[in-house]
Amino acid sequence: GESVGLHLPTLSVQEGDNSIINCAYSNSASDYFIWYKQESGKGPQFIIDIRSNMDKRQGQRVTVLLNKTVKHLSLQIAATQPGDSAVYFCAEASNSGYALNFGKGTSLLVTP
Amino acid sequence: DSGVTQTPKHLITATGQRVTLRCSPRSGDLSVYWYQQSLDQGLQFLIQYYNGEERAKGNILERFSAQQFPDLHSELNLSSLELGDSALYFCASSVERVVTTDTQYFGPGTRLTVL
Repeated sequence: GESVGLHLPTLSVQEGDNSIINCAYSNSASDYFIWYKQESGKGPQFIIDIRSNMDKRQGQRVTVLLNKTVKHLSLQIAATQPGDSAVYFCAEASNSGYALNFGKGTSLLVTP
Repeated sequence: DSGVTQTPKHLITATGQRVTLRCSPRSGDLSVYWYQQSLDQGLQFLIQYYNGEERAKGNILERFSAQQFPDLHSELNLSSLELGDSALYFCASSVERVVTTDTQYFGPGTRLTVL
């Protein structure tokens, strides 16, 4: 069936480095993509979203890139900080859908 | 703090029992979504309510039901509980009813443990 998945289940980076978290999706009808951050013991926290008519969107220290040709989504975090350590989920939805479809998540560990 | 509140934070109960989880959406949000998060399944959409009416159903078991009240808070009822129902249950809210229109903000979750 259609799904959203992540290439890497865990990612370890050094403080100050840039992080890249990848996500593949299979539903070509997906119109809307979101990245969430989930810290231990907390609910998912919205980071950034992007619609299918865009290739790139930037936020504060984060950039989301969308490649519709290969159905790939990535989240780039600049100058990664210890507070960025968390599990990151990508999610997608289509205009004909009714819910967000979440990937399994990638655990990001920032080491000093 | 997302503005979405959920109670209780933790719930421990026995198999066969029934529990009710409560969610209060952000002020002004009309849509409430329920999700289940387990270790092996990730975040799974269960059900959505918009302004008191059920709008969409996902992978929700027949033993589970939900409702949204006139004040917009929502309750998720889980009955005939099984060990496999142990999970984190999240509520999310948004202004609109269309999932691609508006961001969903998640509450802190309720951790359910079925013994």
